Amino acid sequence: EAGVVQSPRYKIIEKKQPVAFWCNPISGHNTLYWYLQNLGQGPELLIRYENEEAVDDSQLPKDRFSAERLKGVDSTLKIQPAELGDSAVYLCASSLETGEQYFGPGTRLTVT
Amino acid sequence: AQSVTQPDIHITVSEGASLELRCNYSYGATPYLFWYVQSPGQGLQLLLKYFSGDTLVQGIKGFEAEFKRSQSSFNLRKPSVHWSDAAEYFCAVGAFKLTFGTGTRLTIIP
Repeated sequence: EAGVVQSPRYKIIEKKQPVAFWCNPISGHNTLYWYLQNLGQGPELLIRYENEEAVDDSQLPKDRFSAERLKGVDSTLKIQPAELGDSAVYLCASSLETGEQYFGPGTRLTVT
Repeated sequence: AQSVTQPDIHITVSEGASLELRCNYSYGATPYLFWYVQSPGQGLQLLLKYFSGDTLVQGIKGFEAEFKRSQSSFNLRKPSVHWSDAAEYFCAVGAFKLTFGTGTRLTIIP
């Protein structure tokens, strides 16, 4: 069974540019999460989806970050415009309801 | 609010030696607890989890962890480490929303 797929794996952009990350969860997992991991830190939740609905986006900086999961499967996380402080690893995870979360390899973003 | 403390930032052990990584948590109810491992440039891999029942849980790669409610701890152990165990280890607590510790980096000496 395929795991969580994320693309791209690496992205380098200049500040003020937009960027988007894509995630395909494990088949059948209705819950999808986006996490932010800064260097030397544990991941921090940005947003959680139950099917198409964003049920917890309290930690998402809504002035520049947006996310969508239109058909309840794949999801996209967008930053516009990117700032230097957004340089981090963006992790996607999926789970079956309240089960354990399975993580993708992440997208390492560098903003110059 | 839920929180996790991993007091050891970096641990070095010799190959073949035993290992214990510490984790203390704060949670308002019966906690769901997890240990994840992250190799450089990789995502997080689930080692083991505790939801309820037996307080000693077995995981993959020969790891185990013991839940001690009285100490609010969920320490990870392995009787004999291998060079391939070198990685970053994260303890996490929560149900829908996981709160992670800051991680413990494990170095293995040949």
